[in-house]
Amino acid sequence: GEDVEQSLFLSVREGDSSVINCTYTDSSSTYLYWYKQEPGAGLQLLTYIFSNMDMKQDQRLTVLLNKKDKHLSLRIADTQTGDSAIYFCAMDTGRRALTFGSGTRLQVQP
Amino acid sequence: NAGVTQTPKFRVLKTGQSMTLLCAQDMNHEYMYWYRQDPGMGLRLIHYSVGEGTTAKGEVPDGYNVSRLKKQNFLLGLESAAPSQTSVYFCASSRTGTDTGELFFGEGSRLTVL
Repeated sequence: GEDVEQSLFLSVREGDSSVINCTYTDSSSTYLYWYKQEPGAGLQLLTYIFSNMDMKQDQRLTVLLNKKDKHLSLRIADTQTGDSAIYFCAMDTGRRALTFGSGTRLQVQP
Repeated sequence: NAGVTQTPKFRVLKTGQSMTLLCAQDMNHEYMYWYRQDPGMGLRLIHYSVGEGTTAKGEVPDGYNVSRLKKQNFLLGLESAAPSQTSVYFCASSRTGTDTGELFFGEGSRLTVL
């Protein structure tokens, strides 16, 4: 079956860059996504990248996709305390639903 | 602007009891989903629906049943709750399945089975 892996925890200092990584086994997804979950809330779509792209930049967010290595990353520049949350990578594996990674908890220290 | 609403938000059950979680969306979305979230395991798909009157099994369907009698509602039932079903349950909806990738999530329902 599909497998989407993430490291569970990342701690950075305010103002530094954060890089959250995701590896996957199924490469048929048309889009690959990053969702953000703040404490006590549901998930919200943060950004996504089309599978034929290598990079997408959206303000402080940069998504990199390496299809050869099946590796997806999310870089947050100038990380703020408000960025503290759990970040999930997700992809469409052809079942009309998304498969999510285990989530990376980002802790931003002042 | 309600979006996706889940009820109840919290519930404690004893082993063997039954209950139903209700999900309602006001965005006229065709697709609806139930996920469960457990520590270190991300979200796992329980059941989903691609339209009114249809349901399909996801990754972890055992012990759950669902119904989609009305387009705006998706019900998740536990007939005989077990401690392994202690989790946070999320409902989500989307307009055209995963074409755009944007699933809209409810705030979650925290269920504890003693």
